[in-house]
Order: sequence, then structure tokens, then C-alpha cells
Amino acid sequence: DAGVIQSPRHEVTEMGQEVTLRCKPISGHDYLFWYRQTMMRGLELLIYFNNNVPIDDSGMPEDRFSAKMPNASFSTLKIQPSEPRDSAVYFCASSYDRNTEAFFGQGTRLTVV
Amino acid sequence: AQSVTQLDSQVPVFEEAPVELRCNYSSSVSVYLFWYVQYPNQGLQLLLKYLSGSTLVESINGFEAEFNKSQTSFHLRKPSVHISDTAEYFCAVSQTINTGFQKLVFGTGTRLLVSP
Repeated sequence: DAGVIQSPRHEVTEMGQEVTLRCKPISGHDYLFWYRQTMMRGLELLIYFNNNVPIDDSGMPEDRFSAKMPNASFSTLKIQPSEPRDSAVYFCASSYDRNTEAFFGQGTRLTVV
Repeated sequence: AQSVTQLDSQVPVFEEAPVELRCNYSSSVSVYLFWYVQYPNQGLQLLLKYLSGSTLVESINGFEAEFNKSQTSFHLRKPSVHISDTAEYFCAVSQTINTGFQKLVFGTGTRLLVSP
């Protein structure tokens, strides 16, 4: 397996634009996580899914953020409208079950100007 | 809620010297503990984990960590570091939320800087 695949690796957008981050988890993993990493706040869990169903979205910062998982092999994290304070590295991770380690993608570095 | 404390934001060390990266967590119940490593411009990779059994766990590249329940610690150690160990290290603890699922709570990270 190629691991968790995220796209794009880098995204630069203007404030107010819609941004969509994409993730393909490892095949067979039932859990998918979206994290945000910033210097100020470190790694924050935004939302996670189990069998394509959102389980805990308490980490989503506000209504501008939304995440979907239409099938077992694809998830998106959308920010609309984007703001400069959304600039961060966004990681997607997946795991086989709730007690095992999460495998991380390479991340998407988002810059909102 | 669970929390993880990594007291040292940065640890400078010379090559071949020993190192300890500290991690403490807040919990009085069974936990699963992890150390992840992040190299520049890359995602996090699992270094080692404690789920149950022996309190001393080892990684393939010479790191080890010991689960100490009484001190609620899971410090990471290596007897002799290499330049290539320069990276950021994250301690994480699993947290059971009210739905019965578990999620990882990460510490703020410790940057290990190995110099020749």
C-alpha cells in the first residue's frame, strides 16, 4: 500500500476563496482522522470518521470548516471562506481500529494570503 | 479529558550522546501511549507504542520508552544519538470519548537537535 495520500501538498489561496483538501486512507482502515498543525497550537484533531461516518467533530474550529467521507477510500476537508488564520499544515491519518496507531499522510501546507 | 505534557520544547545534544525526551500524561485509567517522529516537511511516523504487557518498549532504530504508571510518564530515551535523529518528537495518549471510541491526544512536541 502507498500509505495515506493527501493532495495537494501545497496550496496557496486568497482570503475568501474555497479550499478543498483531499485524502485517500490506507485500504482496509476503518478510521480516518483530520489534524491541523500550527506553531501556536501544535497538533489538533479536527474530526474523525469510523466506517465513513463522522464520530467526533468537536475539534472543527467553526462552521467554515466541513469534512466529508463519501466512501471508504476518499475524504475531503473544505474551508469556505478561507481566512489567513487557517494557514497551517493539515494532516490526514488512518488506522485499522481504534486501538492501533494512526498512519499519517505527508500533509497539505495551506497558506491563505 | 486527557492531556499530554512535553516539558522540553527543544533538546540540543551532541552526536553519540544519550538523550531523554520527557512525556507525562494525565490519567488514572488504562491508556495506550505512543511516540511519533516528524522529520522536516513530512508527516508523523510511529516510533513506538505501549498498549499492554512489558512496560519497556523499543523501536527498530534504538529508541526505547518506559511506561511508568505511578509517575504517569512515558519518557523516550536513546543511549547514543545520530545526526539523522534530528526531528520533532510527539508523545500521544489515547483518550476514550463518551461514545466509547478512542482518539489520540498529542503533546506539543520536542525538537531534538543533534549536532556533530
